[in-house]
Amino acid sequence: AQSVTQLDSQVPVFEEAPVELRCNYSSSVSVYLFWYVQYPNQGLQLLLKYLSGSTLVKGINGFEAEFNKSQTSFHLRKPSVHISDTAEYFCAVSGGSNYKLTFGKGTLLTVNP
Amino acid sequence: ETGVTQTPRHLVMGMTNKKSLKCEQHLGHNAMYWYKQSAKKPLELMFVYNFKEQTENNSVPSRFSPECPNSSHLFLHLHTLQPEDSALYLCASSQEVTRAGELFFGEGSRLTVL
Repeated sequence: AQSVTQLDSQVPVFEEAPVELRCNYSSSVSVYLFWYVQYPNQGLQLLLKYLSGSTLVKGINGFEAEFNKSQTSFHLRKPSVHISDTAEYFCAVSGGSNYKLTFGKGTLLTVNP
Repeated sequence: ETGVTQTPRHLVMGMTNKKSLKCEQHLGHNAMYWYKQSAKKPLELMFVYNFKEQTENNSVPSRFSPECPNSSHLFLHLHTLQPEDSALYLCASSQEVTRAGELFFGEGSRLTVL
């Protein structure tokens, strides 16, 4: 079985500050990892994904994430956030023969002026 | 046309009503999904369709009845719902069911059951 823990339910930051949204996963098989973003009143959009290869993956809108197998983490980072980054961010995992996604509960990122 | 379109965006229904949610994808994908999003809970996968055949029913109550007439269209028929069924229902698609991590979502249908 797989599980995802997003350690912070809410993260408030000021505009132009760096941000890190934390995600830990549990799985007994090799994993694929994903971050999705949900802007207000919209569906989810794929932000970035780790399937294999380089552990540092870059996504849209200046976000990046690093896969750390020893710490079973896949934290999302952005060096300087904008007001428009205010949204809910979901970490998700799939792996092995279980191709379906298991989502975390989400982290609400609020960027204040 | 946007990739995945859901209608209606908002729906209010009584417990004895029958209504349907519609989803259409214009991406040429072969797999389609229904998810339920409730406050403070992870997204719950409800149904999976691959080449219009249902491959997964995640223990969803029978008051939710999916229909997939072709790979581009997906419906969720609703009847005798309960107030706890109030949620955002999201449709998604992927190129193949084995690429279920790379989902394209619609904007969702916000359902309120009175």
